[in-house]
Amino acid sequence: KAGVTQTPRYLIKTRGQQVTLSCSPISGHRSVSWYQQTPGQGLQFLFEYFSETQRNKGNFPGRFSGRQFSNSRSEMNVSTLELGDSALYLCASSFSGQGALYGYTFGSGTRLTVV
Amino acid sequence: QKEVEQNSGPLSVPEGAIASLNCTYSDRGSQSFFWYRQYSGKSPELIMFIYSNGDKEDGRFTAQLNKASQYVSLLIRDSQPSDSATYLCAVPNTGNQFYFGTGTSLTVIP
Repeated sequence: KAGVTQTPRYLIKTRGQQVTLSCSPISGHRSVSWYQQTPGQGLQFLFEYFSETQRNKGNFPGRFSGRQFSNSRSEMNVSTLELGDSALYLCASSFSGQGALYGYTFGSGTRLTVV
Repeated sequence: QKEVEQNSGPLSVPEGAIASLNCTYSDRGSQSFFWYRQYSGKSPELIMFIYSNGDKEDGRFTAQLNKASQYVSLLIRDSQPSDSATYLCAVPNTGNQFYFGTGTSLTVIP
């Protein structure tokens, strides 16, 4: 059973650019959650998608957005990149949004560096 | 907002000893608690979760929950160098969101 696949693994972008990250959840999982991880703040919740709908959103500016496709694959986009956006972006997959019951499976993450 | 607090460490234990990792949480209504392990440069992986007061054992790992004290811990028996990692405590919020602690770094010394 394939795990959660995130692409790309590494990205280097310049301030002001935009970036799109991709996440394919475990087959059969319809919930995808995104987190930002930085050394100072730890894991911070960005948003969750379930059946192509955003169900929950964290306290991030509108520059951070996402979407989910009918095959449950999800993308997140960050526009007008800032240096502070440098982080590990993690995607988490769970079955029918039951992560709160059974926990998540995380992808390997995308390491974004903004220069 | 729920708060999840962990001692950042680093915590060092000799090989074969018991490592004790602690977590406190602010929301008295929290019902379940999760422990994740994150190796350097890797993503978090779920170790175990606990719902009920008391102990839950899974191999060398034991989660302990005390809801009255709002305290959850993870014990690792017979610690191995391969257990060296950062351990994250997490509490679910409404929906499918988690609040994570900042993690405790554990080093097991051979």
